[in-house]
This record gives sequence, C-alpha cells and structure tokens, in this order.
Amino acid sequence: GGIITQTPKFLIGQEGQKLTLKCQQNFNHDTMYWYRQDSGKGLRLIYYSITENDLQKGDLSEGYDASREKKSSFSLTVTSAQKNEMAVFLCASSPRGVEVFFGKGTRLTVV
Amino acid sequence: AQSVTQPDARVTVSEGASLQLRCKYSYSGTPYLFWYVQYPRQGLQLLLKYYSGDPVVQGVNGFEAEFIKSNSSFHLRKASVHWSDSAVYFCAVSANYGNEKITFGAGTKLTIKP
Repeated sequence: GGIITQTPKFLIGQEGQKLTLKCQQNFNHDTMYWYRQDSGKGLRLIYYSITENDLQKGDLSEGYDASREKKSSFSLTVTSAQKNEMAVFLCASSPRGVEVFFGKGTRLTVV
Repeated sequence: AQSVTQPDARVTVSEGASLQLRCKYSYSGTPYLFWYVQYPRQGLQLLLKYYSGDPVVQGVNGFEAEFIKSNSSFHLRKASVHWSDSAVYFCAVSANYGNEKITFGAGTKLTIKP
C-alpha cells in the first residue's frame, strides 16, 4: 500500500497572496493530479502530470501554476488568491490513468 | 473532450429500499469508468471500476454498476441500502488508451431515511 500526503491541511490566505500547496505520494505512480472540490460542483481538474517535469492543463488551470520536479511530488500554486474563496484541493495519483488514489485534501480559505 | 453528468444532485432513499444513482458520460471511444464515494469528513474511495468485459461490475458493500454503451451510461445500483451508505457519490471517466485525464461528475449526495 501507499499514501498521499498533502500539506498543509488548512491554509488561510489573504486576497492577492500567492499560495503553495504540496503533495507527496509513495505509491511510485507515474501520474499525479490536482483537483478542486467546491460544494455542488464536484471535482474539477486543475493540472495533471504524467511523469516528472511534465505538466498538462486541466479544465480549471487559469489562476494556478503547478510543478512536478520529482516523481513523488506535485505542488500547486494559487497565483493570486481571490477574496472569500473557499475550496478543498485534492491531490491524487494513478498508475497510468487507471484507478485514482486521493489524499485527504487541503482546505483553503481566503480572507 | 470527455465529460460526466450526474443529473441528480441529491437523492433520498429509505433504509432497506433499492437505489439507483445515474451517470451519463461523453467520450468518443470506449472509456474506463469509475464510481467513487466520499463519506463525511473522509477522502474519496473507489467503489468500483469498469475497464472491459462483463458490463455489470460488482463493487464493495453490495454496490454494482452497469455499463450501457448505447446509452453512454454507467448507473450505480444497490438492492437494499443501509444508513451507513449516506455519502456523496462521484462518477468518473477516463480514456482507455492512457491519456490519463480523469474527469469527475458533480456528485450525488445520498441521504438514507430511517
């Protein structure tokens, strides 16, 4: 078995601030994902990466950057936090696009 | 482009009754299909998956789903629900040739009445 660790668990930011979320997996999976979960809107794909140093835009990449410098880690940056924004960011990994394994999430609040 | 539609945002069912949660997908080829469940204050867990073969797939806790290609559907079913089945259920689709983009639906919140 393996685990996906997301840090921090809770993140409070200020409007306009650049915020970075981190994710580590020890499954040795090739593919990693960042999803945003909003109430009533399900999971929307922000970025994914099929291997080290690869980045693919998802449906919601505007306002975000991502980085995959190692196979085991995938970070997401909110480039400019929006006031009153609240969402849960979920990191996931998968062995080549089949069954996705999720982390427990980072809950973002922007004040 | 691939997409998933879960037309029912909320479903309420009495304990012991049967259940169907609907999922329709859009994808030009033959997809991989998944159902995930998110219990309160927990992460998402895989319930079942379809890759190929028998269109009826069995999952954990008595859940099953049927892939109907002609209808682009992958509805989730359970013969008799339990109060512990209360959760949010997500349907997901990915391409079967490994482009590795996995798209989720908006989810269906299931509430079980005693």
